[in-house]
Amino acid sequence: GAVVSQHPSWVICKSGTSVKIECRSLDFQATTMFWYRQFPKQSLMLMATSNEGSKATYEQGVEKDKFLINHASLTLSTLTVTSAHPEDSSFYICSASTGRAVRTDTQYFGPGTRLTVL
Amino acid sequence: QKEVEQNSGPLSVPEGAIASLNCTYSDRGSQSFFWYRQYSGKSPELIMFIYSNGDKEDGRFTAQLNKASQYVSLLIRDSQPSDSATYLCAVKGYSTLTFGKGTMLLVSP
Repeated sequence: GAVVSQHPSWVICKSGTSVKIECRSLDFQATTMFWYRQFPKQSLMLMATSNEGSKATYEQGVEKDKFLINHASLTLSTLTVTSAHPEDSSFYICSASTGRAVRTDTQYFGPGTRLTVL
Repeated sequence: QKEVEQNSGPLSVPEGAIASLNCTYSDRGSQSFFWYRQYSGKSPELIMFIYSNGDKEDGRFTAQLNKASQYVSLLIRDSQPSDSATYLCAVKGYSTLTFGKGTMLLVSP
């Protein structure tokens, strides 16, 4: 149980284009989904938290107009990187939480999307 | 600023030994503590979590929590080469996780 999928697993795009990444919880309903970014040899950095049907909460320093997040249903969240530039190249990982009590609520991670912007 | 500190390693242990991974955190209000394993180029996978002081065992893994010392650890018994990975400690406040930079574990055959 608690399987999260991400699509695509990797994408190469030209500078200035937009890229959409999908995150789906396959066997549970995810009240909250999270988007992370990980640069080589660094830890995961939370970009934003999204709750179904409401606007995402972005972490300090993350441009909300550049990283558009939509959480349309309890099983799907999307991240769109708009006008991508080479510095946006990174490993983007989503997670979904099961929505239990605060202490036991667990995040399960998708397999990640490796974005390369040329 | 919430901080989670881990020794970057690498921690090298022989096959069959016990590997001990440590983590300290700064926020005393933290609710629960997670250990994830991340293989190179892959996303994190959950090993276990703990939220009460003391030990919690799950198979070959034991998590230990000491809230007074703001310290959490993960013991891996009978380490296998397949356990070679980066181990991430994550600390949860109300809803979000703060990750440490991870400790690389190398288990030699």
